Amino acid sequence: ETGVTQTPRHLVMGMTNKKSLKCEQHLGHNAMYWYKQSAKKPLELMFVYNFKEQTENNSVPSRFSPECPNSSHLFLHLHTLQPEDSALYLCASSRGDLVAGGGETQYFGPGTRLLVL
Amino acid sequence: AQSVTQPDIHITVSEGASLELRCNYSYGATPYLFWYVQSPGQGLQLLLKYFSGDTLVQGIKGFEAEFKRSQSSFNLRKPSVHWSDAAEYFCAVQNTGNQFYFGTGTSLTVIP
Repeated sequence: ETGVTQTPRHLVMGMTNKKSLKCEQHLGHNAMYWYKQSAKKPLELMFVYNFKEQTENNSVPSRFSPECPNSSHLFLHLHTLQPEDSALYLCASSRGDLVAGGGETQYFGPGTRLLVL
Repeated sequence: AQSVTQPDIHITVSEGASLELRCNYSYGATPYLFWYVQSPGQGLQLLLKYFSGDTLVQGIKGFEAEFKRSQSSFNLRKPSVHWSDAAEYFCAVQNTGNQFYFGTGTSLTVIP
């Protein structure tokens, strides 16, 4: 099994739908991340979970709702999205045992390509 | 605030030619620096990273990068490009927390 998997790989949804993106990591990591990748823009960090606790929420609209039931799984629940939310959503994981002065290496999944109509 | 600049949106090189992709960062303390590569329809794959020590770091697929503190740069190099290197390349910086900042990417085209 590859390190970080994401399902579905592609998703088309209407603005009134509710859907969920799933991420699973098989690396024994404790930190997980959601990123949004739009064309010609830097990757936008959305949420960070460290040991199942949310540590970062970078002013993400409430129509995006993350859930981290355990260190291996991360979900992104979507509802009443807008067309501008169409993007590639990437999940990543890292060790999560940061100490002062330490660096982390993130491992990325293949992403979910989302189209909101 | 931290930021990463990749000044070249798109670069075209001939197969076998050398390659340098530029990356400049803005960060007050010693940064943790990364280069990732993304092929179409795929996630990001780590090429190399700099945390401390030797400022010239070696990565996978024959890539290397040099950290130059005086220039706030972390440029990626490869002496001889292969057609399979065509992809999108991202430079990233991490602060001492869990915050990562990415550049807008450089798209590499390799011509035969």
